[in-house]
Parts: sequence; structure tokens; C-alpha cells
Amino acid sequence: AQSVAQPEDQVNVAEGNPLTVKCTYSVSGNPYLFWYVQYPNRGLQFLLKYITGDNLVKGSYGFEAEFNKSQTSFHLKKPSALVSDSALYFCAVRDPNTGFQKLVFGTGTRLLVSP
Amino acid sequence: SAVISQKPSRDICQRGTSLTIQCQVDSQVTMMFWYRQQPGQSLTLIATANQGSEATYESGFVIDKFPISRPNLTFSTLTVSNMSPEDSSIYLCSVMRASTDTQYFGPGTRLTVL
Repeated sequence: AQSVAQPEDQVNVAEGNPLTVKCTYSVSGNPYLFWYVQYPNRGLQFLLKYITGDNLVKGSYGFEAEFNKSQTSFHLKKPSALVSDSALYFCAVRDPNTGFQKLVFGTGTRLLVSP
Repeated sequence: SAVISQKPSRDICQRGTSLTIQCQVDSQVTMMFWYRQQPGQSLTLIATANQGSEATYESGFVIDKFPISRPNLTFSTLTVSNMSPEDSSIYLCSVMRASTDTQYFGPGTRLTVL
């Protein structure tokens, strides 16, 4: 069965500094990987995804993520953090080999960007 | 993407009662899902809402507790039945078109059971 790990409950970074939010996954085959962001009292917003192709994918709001098959990781990155990036970030995986569409989510990482 | 709305946005209910949550999409979608996010926790899939047939439930979720309807390609409901305080959660619907492989989420319904 597929699973996702987000090892950090919270990441603190100063505005203007680069940020990384970590995610590792486990699936039986080639994964579909996703990042979502949740602002307070809001639903989940899609940021980016990796299905196939280039290992570096770019998404909304200047975020990007790098798929690393050997390390089974899909870390979220941004070169310069903004205070408005402060939110809860979820990594999710889908195993297309199962024939099911379900997403399995990590436990979430709270990003706090200080001014 | 798609514009997804949920009603109600929040509610406070008494134990033993039931609440029906609606999910409306602005265009036809292939698949609709219902997730639960318990306080301070991640999202867990409850079921896949199938148009014109019974929903497909994940392990740990049953139709008697969470009946789901999907009468057409743009609308679905989730009922939380015989509620207890443990049902206090955010309930989110998501939608996906087969061509995109991406699920988009509604704003969620925050349910508190007293």
C-alpha cells in the first residue's frame, strides 16, 4: 500500500530565505505525487504535481518540487519565502498501478515564515 | 481546475442527529470523492462517489454511517448519521477529470458535534 511521510511538523524560515518542505513516499510502482496547501479555514489548494517527465516540476506561487526516485523523495522548495506562504502543506501520493484514484496524504507540515 | 462549493460551510450539531453536506461543481467531472480531516490531522478518504450507483467506501467507513449520493456529474451529498463528538471534523469533497489526474478540493465543511 502507498504511504507518505512528512518528517517535520513545522518548518520555520525567515522571509526572503529559501524554504524546503520534505516529503518521502512509498509505492509499489511509479508514483503520482502532489503538493497541496491549506490556509486557515480554507480548503486545500493544488500547488503542483509530478506524473512523468522532468524531475523538477514548477507550480503555483513560485513553488517547485524535485522528484528523486532513488531517494523516494518529492521535496517542496521555494527560492525566496514570503510571509504569506505561511500555511499547512500536504504531500500526497497516488499509485496508478492499483487502478484506484485515491490520494494518500502525509501528516502535513506547518510552514511559518517570519518577517 | 473547477469551481467547487460546499454547503453548509460549518455547523454545530447535537449528538444523535444527522447532517447532509452538499458538494456542487460548476462543470461535469469524472470522479468525486469525500475526505475527512479530523482536528490537527491529515486527510483520509471516506469514499468515492459513483454516479448512478453505490459509493465505494474505504476500510473503516460504512454506508450506514456515511451514506453518499451522486445523482449526476456535478453534484454529490455526504450524510453523517447518528453523530457523536468523534465525528467533529472538516469534511471535504474533491473532484477530478480523468484527463488531468489532479484532484481539486472544495472549501470544506467544518462540523462540530456536541
